[in-house]
Amino acid sequence: EVQLVESGGGLVQPGRSLRLSCAASGFTFDDYAMYWVRRTPGKGLEWVSGIGWNSGNIDYADFVKGRFTISRDNAKNSLYLQMNSLRPEDTALYHCVKGPVASFRGAYFDYWGQGILVTVSS
Amino acid sequence: EIVLTQSPGTLSLSPGERATLSCRASQSVSTSYLAWYQQKPGQAPRLLIYGAFSRATGIPDRFSGSGSGTDFTLTISRLEPEDFAVYYCQQYGGSPMWTFGQGTKVEVK
Repeated sequence: EVQLVESGGGLVQPGRSLRLSCAASGFTFDDYAMYWVRRTPGKGLEWVSGIGWNSGNIDYADFVKGRFTISRDNAKNSLYLQMNSLRPEDTALYHCVKGPVASFRGAYFDYWGQGILVTVSS
Repeated sequence: EIVLTQSPGTLSLSPGERATLSCRASQSVSTSYLAWYQQKPGQAPRLLIYGAFSRATGIPDRFSGSGSGTDFTLTISRLEPEDFAVYYCQQYGGSPMWTFGQGTKVEVK
């Protein structure tokens, strides 16, 4: 059974940093692309970032470019999202998401974690 | 950016009835790269349909997807109690690569 368990969320002040982690199990982690998707009350679901199976291809949504960094450790079956210069509008439930293939472009999302809440507020 | 507009916002139906959910794109969706997800309160979204009409593993055949270009439909032929949820469409071929609709809530009438 595929399991994606996020951690590292919480309350943080604007301008500060937070690192999200996702522990994956139930599949061969380094065979698949992975993503972060967030849900906000105002904008609904938004794709944040994606990374190919070997970290060779990475992309970000414009609203996080230069502030967030996605990475993965295939030896630890883990996905990460380093979030710097956080803004109140980054407040959201962040989901770790698995793709159906190794390449991250042109792919849908076949499994989602339940999400971890990040609140950016002073 | 491809904007996806779902309608209606809320669909009030009874178990056993047919549900028809619409997803309209602001531009043509490349190669029918359109997916549908179901989300229940407190649960992760679940993939239902990809490639506009292909059912994901384990999805009952009462769920079907159709459409192409800019107009797509998710149909639930006969609503079961467990089908009352929020449904999202997603395109995965544009720029940015992935965008979602705002969701349609299917609620018990």
